[in-house]
Amino acid sequence: GAVVSQHPSRVICKSGTSVKIECRSLDFQATTMFWYRQFPKQSLMLMATSNEGSKATYEQGVEKDKFLINHASLTLSTLTVTSAHPEDSSFYICSALEGAWDSPLHFGNGTRLTVT
Amino acid sequence: AQKVTQAQTEISVVEKEDVTLDCVYETRDTTYYLFWYKQPPSGELVFLIRRNSFDEQNEISGRYSWNFQKSTSSFNFTITASQVVDSAVYFCALLPGEYGNKLVFGAGTILRVKS
Repeated sequence: GAVVSQHPSRVICKSGTSVKIECRSLDFQATTMFWYRQFPKQSLMLMATSNEGSKATYEQGVEKDKFLINHASLTLSTLTVTSAHPEDSSFYICSALEGAWDSPLHFGNGTRLTVT
Repeated sequence: AQKVTQAQTEISVVEKEDVTLDCVYETRDTTYYLFWYKQPPSGELVFLIRRNSFDEQNEISGRYSWNFQKSTSSFNFTITASQVVDSAVYFCALLPGEYGNKLVFGAGTILRVKS
């Protein structure tokens, strides 16, 4: 089945530093990837839609200058949390679309970000 | 408005019991898709099922079964003879039926299966 690899699975960083999270589709090409944020015991909140070769589309309330998304190839999207603060600590999950827009999403394992 | 409601925040059962997770959705679209995902403690979301709005047939896959009823806008998920490995958070999600729409998740139901 389709596999999405997300790296790193856990990262701890200091306030003010930047962190990059990678999301790769291992055995399929994904023209569209999605980035979600999940707070403890809560549902997934869509942050942005990443399309290969174009600028990401951010959801309302998500700062695009803080959460930089790059989708440089059909198998890789990256999310960079810039100048991280403790309130950015969260679980970030990427997903990739294999096939048509109404296909099931394949999710990565998530990244637990802790900003100290 | 597009919305998914999973009224059960948390359910605890003993192994081998049957359990039903409720999902009620709202949409004005006539074409839409419904999904269930499982999120085990490891964090990844595992796709379980997709159902389109024109297919009201119930589905069974091993111990899992789904009951889709458009009349009540519900897409409930039943696990028969639950096992400890079924412990996870289960999300119901709605994809409204136009290109460019995005998956709308319910709040999730935490299922705890005790041995």
